[in-house]
Amino acid sequence: GAGVSQSPRYKVAKRGQDVALRCDPISGHVSLFWYQQALGQGPEFLTYFQNEAQLDKSGLPSDRFFAERPEGSVSTLKIQRTQQEDSAVYLCASSPQVGSPLHFGNGTRLTVT
Amino acid sequence: KQEVTQIPAALSVPEGENLVLNCSFTDSAIYNLQWFRQDPGKGLTSLLLIQSSQREQTSGRLNASLDKSSGRSTLYIAASQPGDSATYLCAVNTGSYQLTFGKGTKLSVIP
Repeated sequence: GAGVSQSPRYKVAKRGQDVALRCDPISGHVSLFWYQQALGQGPEFLTYFQNEAQLDKSGLPSDRFFAERPEGSVSTLKIQRTQQEDSAVYLCASSPQVGSPLHFGNGTRLTVT
Repeated sequence: KQEVTQIPAALSVPEGENLVLNCSFTDSAIYNLQWFRQDPGKGLTSLLLIQSSQREQTSGRLNASLDKSSGRSTLYIAASQPGDSATYLCAVNTGSYQLTFGKGTKLSVIP
C-alpha cells in the first residue's frame, strides 16, 4: 500500500479483556516500530523489529504486552488482561533501514473501560 | 536518560508570520534529530531529519537547525498558513533503535 496501515482505528475493551492491534508496514520496509502515545504526551517507544527479528523490546511496559512479526511484514501488538492505564494511541512506524525517516500509521486508539 | 523538552507548549500566531519552535535535549551524543507534524487523530508525518554531522535542513518554508553541543534544535516556519496548524514534535535518536520524543508544540495559525 501507499502508507502504513493500522487496524482497528478505534478499540474499546473492558478491563481484563485481551486485544490485538495490527500493523501493515510499507512494502519492503525492513524496520518496524511500535510506540505508545498517551493523551497530551509524545510517543514512547515500545518495541522494534528488523525483518522478523524483535531486536529491542525494552519499552514494553509489562509482560502483558507482546509483539510479533512472524514473516517480516505484518506485525501484531497484543495486550493481555487490559488495564485502564493501557488506554492510549498505539502507533506503528516503518522505515526502509535504520536511520531513515520513519513513516507512521494513523494509530489505534485503545480505550479500556 | 535522554530527555527532550519543547517550548512553548502552545503557540498562536496570525497568518503570514514567521515563527520558531524550540527543542532541547539533555544528551548531546545523538545520531540524528527529526521533526514531525501531527494532525488531530492522525499519525506523525516526518518533516525534516538532521544527521548529527549536519547543521541544518530545509524543505520549502521549513528550516530546521541543530546545535548538538548546546543540545538545541529549532524549527523555523516562514510565512505561516492556517494549514500549518498542527502539533509539532521533535525526536532524537541516540543511536539505538529508539526515538525519544518531546511533548510537542501545538501551533494555531489564525486566518
